[in-house]
Amino acid sequence: DIQMTQSPSSLSASVGDTVTIACQASQDISNHLNWYQQKPGKAPKLLIYDTFHLETGVPSRFSGRGSGTSFTFTISSLQPEDFATYFCQQYEDLPPTFGPGTKVDI
Amino acid sequence: EGQLVESGGGLVQPGGSLRLSCVASGITFTGYAMSWVRQAQGMGPQWVSSISARSSGIYYTDSVKGRFTISRDNFKDILYLQMNNLTVEDAAVYYCARLPRQSAAMSGWFAPWGQGTLVTVSS
Repeated sequence: DIQMTQSPSSLSASVGDTVTIACQASQDISNHLNWYQQKPGKAPKLLIYDTFHLETGVPSRFSGRGSGTSFTFTISSLQPEDFATYFCQQYEDLPPTFGPGTKVDI
Repeated sequence: EGQLVESGGGLVQPGGSLRLSCVASGITFTGYAMSWVRQAQGMGPQWVSSISARSSGIYYTDSVKGRFTISRDNFKDILYLQMNNLTVEDAAVYYCARLPRQSAAMSGWFAPWGQGTLVTVSS
């Protein structure tokens, strides 16, 4: 199975800050990398698919980049509703696997 | 707005069985592969199983092979997960989610997700 790691595991930020989360795959996954946001007690929500494509309705302050094994996810000008946990997920190969998550709090 | 709604979770003893259901309403169900994804408390999500749009392709994570069975009813827009011989390691919130294409082989991204149903395995 392809292992996904994320860093940091948690971070503290303020409204208006720019935050960046890193995601590393254990092998080349091309651009087959997605990002999700999860708030407590809720299901994950797709934000970005195929490394950098924004899901419909997702604000443009969210962005992603990378390829191969190294990826980043950035939130520009953090808003109050962005405090949540973020997961990366690869689908280069079955089984699709998720990272352990990065919690963004105040 | 369309949604997926899971049901069927609950408390079961080790070795017991449960059948989860996921009803799609207001979203296109037929024509898309579907998946079950679970999430244990404090952990990242874990993919469990996927089924292609016409049920021709079915895939499971290794830990549930031989114990879980995924199926779908394209007339009723319902996805199922029959879970047998449950262990404490199966305890989690189980979500159904749609994949972006007919085939489940290459997976893709999961969207939308249901609200989840909690499975507790304890004696």
